[in-house]
Parts: sequence; structure tokens; C-alpha cells
Amino acid sequence: AQTVTQSQPEMSVQEAETVTLSCTYDTSESDYYLFWYKQPPSRQMILVIRQEAYKQQNATENRFSVNFQKAAKSFSLKISDSQLGDAAMYFCAYRSATGSNYKLTFGKGTLLTVNP
Amino acid sequence: NAGVTQTPKFQVLKTGQSMTLQCAQDMNHEYMSWYRQDPGMGLRLIHYSVGAGITDQGEVPNGYNVSRSTTEDFPLRLLSAAPSQTSVYFCASSRGQYSNQPQHFGDGTRLSIL
Repeated sequence: AQTVTQSQPEMSVQEAETVTLSCTYDTSESDYYLFWYKQPPSRQMILVIRQEAYKQQNATENRFSVNFQKAAKSFSLKISDSQLGDAAMYFCAYRSATGSNYKLTFGKGTLLTVNP
Repeated sequence: NAGVTQTPKFQVLKTGQSMTLQCAQDMNHEYMSWYRQDPGMGLRLIHYSVGAGITDQGEVPNGYNVSRSTTEDFPLRLLSAAPSQTSVYFCASSRGQYSNQPQHFGDGTRLSIL
């Protein structure tokens, strides 16, 4: 079974600074997808960024980028120019690309605080 | 464009009562699932469905039933509510096999069992 580990329960960053959230995962599969979801106090689950394992290029979405290290099974999220609206719980998630079970396996989350 | 709609948003039950959490999606997604979110635990899969008429268990299925009679709807039933089922419940949907599309989540149902 796959597992996802987020080793930082809480992180804080100053507004306009850069912060990196860590995620590692364990799998024996070679084809899979990785996601970062954001959950603000409104409770919504919002997709931040996704990465296909077969792609070597790291995904980027505006101020959000990932550092995907497949051999190390690491998938960190970098937030540049942090804004107050980035404050939220962030979840890393894994999904297999094979078989019929498309469940997401989540880490326990990292609570990000943005200080003005 | 409604996406994934969950009802109700909040509910308080007494131990032993039964209820159904509703989930509907209008994106013609094949795959639907239910997660529960508990503090410090992330989200854990309860049940999922890969299409109408097909359901299967996830990590924490005990105490819950599901059915999938249509593509659009995937209700979650609590048969006899227990305090351990106090949680926030999320329904999610996505396109099916060989798709890299992410799952779309509803806004969640906060359920308290007294």
C-alpha cells in the first residue's frame, strides 16, 4: 500500500517570502500522479498543482512550483511571494495511474501560517 | 456549473440514529468517492465507485453503506451513528481510467454524533 508523509505539521512564512512544504511517499509503482491540495478555513479542497510521474519537468502554476524527485520519492511544494490568502492547510496526495481504484492517498497535512 | 454538491452542510445526530449524506455531480464523472477528515489524520477513503452499479470499500468502511444507481449520485448511509463517526465528510468525483484529471471535491458535511 502507498503511504504519504508530510513531516512538517506546521510552517510559517512572512508575507512576500518563499516557503517550501515537504512531502515524501512510498510506492512500488512506476506510474502515478501526485497532487497538492489547499484547504482554507472555508473547508474547501482546492487543487493547487499536479505532477505526472512520467514527466521529468517539474510542474509550475504561477507562484506555486514543485520539486519532484522520483528516485528519492519526494514531492515538495514551493510557494513564492507568499500572500495572506495562502494561509491554509496543505495536503500532499498520491494516486495510482493503473488499475481501477483511483483513490487518493493523503498525507496528514501541513498548516501554513502567513505573517504580515 | 455546480460541480460536486453535498447536502447537508452540517448535521447533528444522536447515537444510534441513521442518516444519509447526499452527493451529486453534474460533470458525468465515472469515479466517485467518500472521504472522512479527522484532525491530524488527513483524509481517509471510506467507499468508492468506478461507475453506476459498482462500489467497493476503502480504508475505513465499517459503519457506512453506499450505492450508485446513477452516474450522478453517490449517497453515503450511516446505519447506526456512533460518536466515532463525528467527522467532516467529503465527496469527490473524477473522470475514469487513464485520466490524469484531478478529483473535484464537494464543500464537505460536518457531522456531529452526540
